[in-house]
Amino acid sequence: GAVVSQHPSRVICKSGTSVKIECRSLDFQATTMFWYRQFPKQSLMLMATSNEGSKATYEQGVEKDKFLINHASLTLSTLTVTSAHPEDSSFYICSASQPAGVTTQYFGPGTRLTVL
Amino acid sequence: SQQGEEDPQALSIQEGENATMNCSYKTSINNLQWYRQNSGRGLVHLILIRSNEREKHSGRLRVTLDTSKKSSSLLITASRAADTASYFCATDAGPISGTYKYIFGTGTRLKVLA
Repeated sequence: GAVVSQHPSRVICKSGTSVKIECRSLDFQATTMFWYRQFPKQSLMLMATSNEGSKATYEQGVEKDKFLINHASLTLSTLTVTSAHPEDSSFYICSASQPAGVTTQYFGPGTRLTVL
Repeated sequence: SQQGEEDPQALSIQEGENATMNCSYKTSINNLQWYRQNSGRGLVHLILIRSNEREKHSGRLRVTLDTSKKSSSLLITASRAADTASYFCATDAGPISGTYKYIFGTGTRLKVLA
């Protein structure tokens, strides 16, 4: 149980285009989803926290207009990287947690974004 | 930065040896968790230790927690080549508006040589 999927697993796009990454909880309802980014050989940095049906909370230094997050249902959150640039190339990982009071996050397999 | 520190950054050992990784953090915590990440893949949850616990075991894994020193260690005994991966600690400070946020350590890259 507690499986989280991400789609796509890899994406290559041209500079200036927008890319959407999906994060789904497959067998549980995720009231909260988290988005992280990870540069090569570095740790995960939390970008934003999203709760179903409300606006995402962004971490300091993360541009909310550039990284659009939508958590429209209890099983799906999307991250859209708008007007992508080469410096946005990274590994994006989502996680999901069950209803409030449960600390464990279940992580997706990640999406490798390469912006040319 | 709130990020925790892990040491060593990289560790190379022979199969069968034990591997010890350390994690230090900066704020009071609710829980501390250890994760493994194979290259280019997602995270695999290894073990959770609560702030009122001092030691926990799971198979070949042993985790200790010293809240007075704000540090934790992960010991992998009798390592195998398949243990080659990056290992991260993650702390949460408890619910903030009902949400538990994780802060990850910098990670230790472990290489186990066959």
